[in-house]
Amino acid sequence: DSGVTQTPKHLITATGQRVTLRCSPRSGDLSVYWYQQSLDQGLQFLIQYYNGEERAKGNILERFSAQQFPDLHSELNLSSLELGDSALYFCASSVREGLSNEQYFGPGTRLTVT
Amino acid sequence: AQKITQTQPGMFVQEKEAVTLDCTYDTSDPSYGLFWYKQPSSGEMIFLIYQGSYDQQNATEGRYSLNFQKARKSANLVISASQLGDSAMYFCAMREGLGDYKLSFGAGTTVTVRA
Repeated sequence: DSGVTQTPKHLITATGQRVTLRCSPRSGDLSVYWYQQSLDQGLQFLIQYYNGEERAKGNILERFSAQQFPDLHSELNLSSLELGDSALYFCASSVREGLSNEQYFGPGTRLTVT
Repeated sequence: AQKITQTQPGMFVQEKEAVTLDCTYDTSDPSYGLFWYKQPSSGEMIFLIYQGSYDQQNATEGRYSLNFQKARKSANLVISASQLGDSAMYFCAMREGLGDYKLSFGAGTTVTVRA
């Protein structure tokens, strides 16, 4: 158990819908990262927050947004869902932003868009 | 350009034997970190080992060791004395020092340990 929690574990929804994925980082970790894992794209970085501020953006679609709250939990919002958004979404956290700080991954949320 | 390349999509290894998973990387940043993660069939990502670009010695963590060859830009993972529980997908990842601290992942290598 990495100490990072993600809810829900599984999510099945229809095209065009909007969903929210939630992540609670390990106690004391200030940095949160979101990744998407799909069969065709592999593991892709989406976005990073550090202590409530957005720090970096990767291959995140405009239909996707995220935020980190004062209690450090984070939410990833996916809207106007398409079939291609079906994937495993990971949240990871680290204490700081340093080069050597390993990221601890949550169990993931498996999103299926039908 | 691909930052992390893992050329072995799948490997079989006999229990108790060692296995080497290849990873090459591409960066012009002198400061970077290399990571290996394990993803069992249950889906979670488990951190295994870290190597910094300025580290003089190869990293080791229990049965895991990293064969770091900086000039060749390779960071191969060696798993010694393989166990059935080592059957999983293994990902090599890199974090570069300039800019953000995201991890760039390779495509992964599936390891199957045979009894």
